Amino acid sequence: AQKVTQAQTEISVVEKEDVTLDCVYETRDTTYYLFWYKQPPSGELVFLIRRNSFDEQNEISGRYSWNFQKSTSSFNFTITASQVVDSAVYFCALTSYSGGGADGLTFGKGTHLIIQP
Amino acid sequence: DAGVTQSPTHLIKTRGQQVTLRCSPKSGHDTVSWYQQALGQGPQFIFQYYEEEERQRGNFPDRFSGHQFPNYSSELNVNALLLGDSALYLCASSAQGLRWNTEAFFGQGTRLTVV
Repeated sequence: AQKVTQAQTEISVVEKEDVTLDCVYETRDTTYYLFWYKQPPSGELVFLIRRNSFDEQNEISGRYSWNFQKSTSSFNFTITASQVVDSAVYFCALTSYSGGGADGLTFGKGTHLIIQP
Repeated sequence: DAGVTQSPTHLIKTRGQQVTLRCSPKSGHDTVSWYQQALGQGPQFIFQYYEEEERQRGNFPDRFSGHQFPNYSSELNVNALLLGDSALYLCASSAQGLRWNTEAFFGQGTRLTVV
């Protein structure tokens, strides 16, 4: 069975601080994808990044960066110089591939990020 | 380009009733998945439809059923509603043909309240 753990239920920081959201996953599959989604109060899940299990290269996109480490089964997300608009619930998710296509996503419980002005 | 659209946005039902939720996938997408998100929790996978068939199912009872139409739109049906079915129901679409580059796009969800 797959599992995603986001141990931080809520994080509150002051604007312009850096913040890291932790994600630890469990899977027996060798081929899998990891995702981060952002959920603002409107409810829609906004895709942020996808990383496959064969690519451990870290990625940076503007103020966002992701650190994938297979050795520790972690896929952490860092926001540099946080802004109030970053306030949302962030979900880490995992899927593997079987048969003819993608399996359903397994989500963590989410981290509620609060950026105070 | 319209994204994933869901209807209705909000719904109130009574215990024991039946409900149907609808989803239109993003243009070019042929696979629809449904998720249930209880308050304060992460979304949980209900099932996935591709080529009008249920391909995969999560840990949900048979009261939850679905359908996919030839135009790839989908319905989620829940029978004999329980108070515990109150949640945000999210629909996600993806392009099955892009197996190694698949990403799911989510709709804004349907907020179901069972009273």
